[in-house]
Amino acid sequence: KAGVTQTPRYLIKTRGQQVTLSCSPISGHRSVSWYQQTPGQGLQFLFEYFSETQRNKGNFPGRFSGRQFSNSRSEMNVSTLELGDSALYLCASRYLAGGSEQYFGPGTRLTVT
Amino acid sequence: ELKVEQNPLFLSMQEGKNYTIYCNYSTTSDRLYWYRQDPGKSLESLFVLLSNGAVKQEGRLMASLDTKARLSTLHITAAVHDLSATYFCAVGEDDKIIFGKGTRLHILP
Repeated sequence: KAGVTQTPRYLIKTRGQQVTLSCSPISGHRSVSWYQQTPGQGLQFLFEYFSETQRNKGNFPGRFSGRQFSNSRSEMNVSTLELGDSALYLCASRYLAGGSEQYFGPGTRLTVT
Repeated sequence: ELKVEQNPLFLSMQEGKNYTIYCNYSTTSDRLYWYRQDPGKSLESLFVLLSNGAVKQEGRLMASLDTKARLSTLHITAAVHDLSATYFCAVGEDDKIIFGKGTRLHILP
């Protein structure tokens, strides 16, 4: 069974631009979560989608948004990029929300210059 | 607000030694996860602990959960260099999973 895939793997953007990252979950998984990882703040929860609905949102500004499609694929968008948005963005999928195990994708490394 | 604290944050140890990483959390939860991350890589799931007293072992790693004490431990037995990585614990609250800051483990040959 194929794992979680994320595209692109690396991205360089300029301040003020916007970016869209994509995540394809493991086949059959309906929940997709997004995390931001930085050396200073560690791993921070962004949001979780289940059956095309946002179930939870972390403490991030409205510039960070996401969506999930009917095939469970998810995208996250960051508008008006800031230098501090440089991070590794990880998505994770699981069969259901709640206690089921999460499987992480390889991540997208975003650099904002 | 759920807080997850790991200690130590950095650990350098000799091969062959035993050590324990501690994970404390601030609210009631019966879902505790341990992950491993190698430099530049994604997270690999190690253990999922879903009940008080749960103990799981894989090779030289053993994880346990005490929900009453709000404490999980990851014990490393006879460490080998290949176990050098960053280890994260994470706790489930409602449908969110909150991570600790990670323990960077460096095992000296």
